[in-house]
Amino acid sequence: DAKTTQPPSMDCAEGRAANLPCNHSTISGNEYVYWYRQIHSQGPQYIIHGLKNNETNEMASLIITEDRKSSTLILPHATLRDTAVYYCIVRAGNTPLVFGKGTRLSVIA
Amino acid sequence: EAQVTQNPRYLITVTGKKLTVTCSQNMNHEYMSWYRQDPGLGLRQIYYSMNVEVTDKGDVPEGYKVSRKEKRNFPLILESPSPNQTSLYFCASSLSRGRGWGTEAFFGQGTRLTVV
Repeated sequence: DAKTTQPPSMDCAEGRAANLPCNHSTISGNEYVYWYRQIHSQGPQYIIHGLKNNETNEMASLIITEDRKSSTLILPHATLRDTAVYYCIVRAGNTPLVFGKGTRLSVIA
Repeated sequence: EAQVTQNPRYLITVTGKKLTVTCSQNMNHEYMSWYRQDPGLGLRQIYYSMNVEVTDKGDVPEGYKVSRKEKRNFPLILESPSPNQTSLYFCASSLSRGRGWGTEAFFGQGTRLTVV
């Protein structure tokens, strides 16, 4: 079973920041938080991951709470091409990626 | 360009006719895996491989075989396909840095298989 809880769907206006929450209250000390997205029926695409510090790359920012029980993925300026299902996954080392149902983000013009 | 390549992208076959879906990666990754995706059930892991000649079952291995004779290739074999194996299949690869290291996985474009 997935170890994370995400809202099933969210809307975001184009050009605005999209903030996608994820709860992972049972996360272990050696588990990372990963975010992937899947656009339509394409292969999932890696976005970002982190252990306990906040992370930023060219796609997004990841904010992890101090107790590590929840996190937020931030797409700073959402575009229509960011419409996708976003998956939050907790995982240690090379244990299998377990995908839950994710959040379906719709970016609206 | 770093990529995971699956072939074929689309396949329609008949029940019982053996088929192989190929997967190849050009990133020298140790870890490779296969997933299937079905409506309402999400992505589920079929098999994975930690390195050459090392494979293990995932969550839904029944009806599938894999082999890992070379680092870059990880074919998925359906010896006797059945209609319940109609699905969208994805291959993935990643580095294997051991426990405690975070690594990103790269996914192929998918193979849509229909068994009639």
